Amino acid sequence: ETGVTQTPRHLVMGMTNKKSLKCEQHLGHNAMYWYKQSAKKPLELMFVYNFKEQTENNSVPSRFSPECPNSSHLFLHLHTLQPEDSALYLCASSLEQGSAEAFFGQGTRLTVV
Amino acid sequence: AQSVTQLDSQVPVFEEAPVELRCNYSSSVSVYLFWYVQYPNQGLQLLLKYLSGSTLVKGINGFEAEFNKSQTSFHLRKPSVHISDTAEYFCAVSDRGSGGSYIPTFGRGTSLIVHP
Repeated sequence: ETGVTQTPRHLVMGMTNKKSLKCEQHLGHNAMYWYKQSAKKPLELMFVYNFKEQTENNSVPSRFSPECPNSSHLFLHLHTLQPEDSALYLCASSLEQGSAEAFFGQGTRLTVV
Repeated sequence: AQSVTQLDSQVPVFEEAPVELRCNYSSSVSVYLFWYVQYPNQGLQLLLKYLSGSTLVKGINGFEAEFNKSQTSFHLRKPSVHISDTAEYFCAVSDRGSGGSYIPTFGRGTSLIVHP
């Protein structure tokens, strides 16, 4: 248990669906991250929020839309995804952006059909 | 932009043998270095980190790593592995991006497979 909780753990969605991934931490951290982990590829940083402000958008397609209503919660809204978007989506938090240690959630396994 | 190279995609080893997982990064003035472990269907868990000070860093589960600035390397070692060490291992580097904030970058990962 790392203190970072992601829901749901598994999600299957059609290409026309709209769904959201949720991440929650009560570690008092101010930075939160979304990563995409695909088979045979490096972990890809998608978005970074620091003190609720988006500081990084790593050229992510607009069908992925992040939201950070407060320092404890991070969402990833999904809309009209493609099969190649199927992956493990990992949320992480750290005390501040890029600082000593990132705590990861267990991930959401997303399958787009 | 920072890059992290994990030279081996897979490392098979027998139980109780020593192991070294290699990691190299592109040069930068100031970096933080990390090793994470990922067990099946889990997120990443921090094994150890180098921020400053002693170049030999000890982590959890008997792992250690040595920061070598001249070779820009941060190899992970364990003198005697167990079956339970079978997992994916990720090297990560955090340095200041163009915007002045620290950006974490991960390697592709090394799959450690421990055989009985």
